[in-house]
Amino acid sequence: DTGVSQNPRHKITKRGQNVTFRCDPISEHNRLYWYRQTLGQGPEFLTYFQNEAQLEKSRLLSDRFSAERPKGSFSTLEIQRTEQGDSAMYLCASSLNSGPPGYTFGSGTRLTVV
Amino acid sequence: DAKTTQPPSMDCAEGRAANLPCNHSTISGNEYVYWYRQIHSQGPQYIIHGLKNNETNEMASLIITEDRKSSTLILPHATLRDTAVYYCIGDNYGQNFVFGPGTRLSVLP
Repeated sequence: DTGVSQNPRHKITKRGQNVTFRCDPISEHNRLYWYRQTLGQGPEFLTYFQNEAQLEKSRLLSDRFSAERPKGSFSTLEIQRTEQGDSAMYLCASSLNSGPPGYTFGSGTRLTVV
Repeated sequence: DAKTTQPPSMDCAEGRAANLPCNHSTISGNEYVYWYRQIHSQGPQYIIHGLKNNETNEMASLIITEDRKSSTLILPHATLRDTAVYYCIGDNYGQNFVFGPGTRLSVLP
């Protein structure tokens, strides 16, 4: 296992287009998290899954955002009708339940909306 | 999650110990303290965690005060590659991590 994998690493899209990001967690991890990070800020929580169930969503996750984790394996995060304010690094993390040793993060997908 | 407070930035000379403080006065008895760091354009990397006792691993040491209201991350011999943003996080079982702005550590040659 090589850790948490995120694709693509970079995405440039025109305003109004839809984009989808993929996250492959560590195989035995049953929790998967999405965070968003803008320049100079710490990561902000968006949503998390326990297996295939989406258990919590932040109010930051507007109705243009949707996340899925079919079969409790990989996850996708889709942004519809992108806006310039969606430009950010989108981070995925996974963990084995809660508690120590905490999360393992991927390298992120950097989205630029032009 | 316990709210944590960290200085926005710190400098450290290469080869010296870097001591990064964190206040977490609202932490509960069951909350672990986690430290992560983030090097530019990468995802956060786990460093260490602790509950009550001091902890040490190959990357760092974590000193937690007896009242658990604060902790210090120690990088014993800082190198230029330790330049990063360091995050202190209080965790409550079952809750998602809440990241603050962290401490930007600059290791100077």
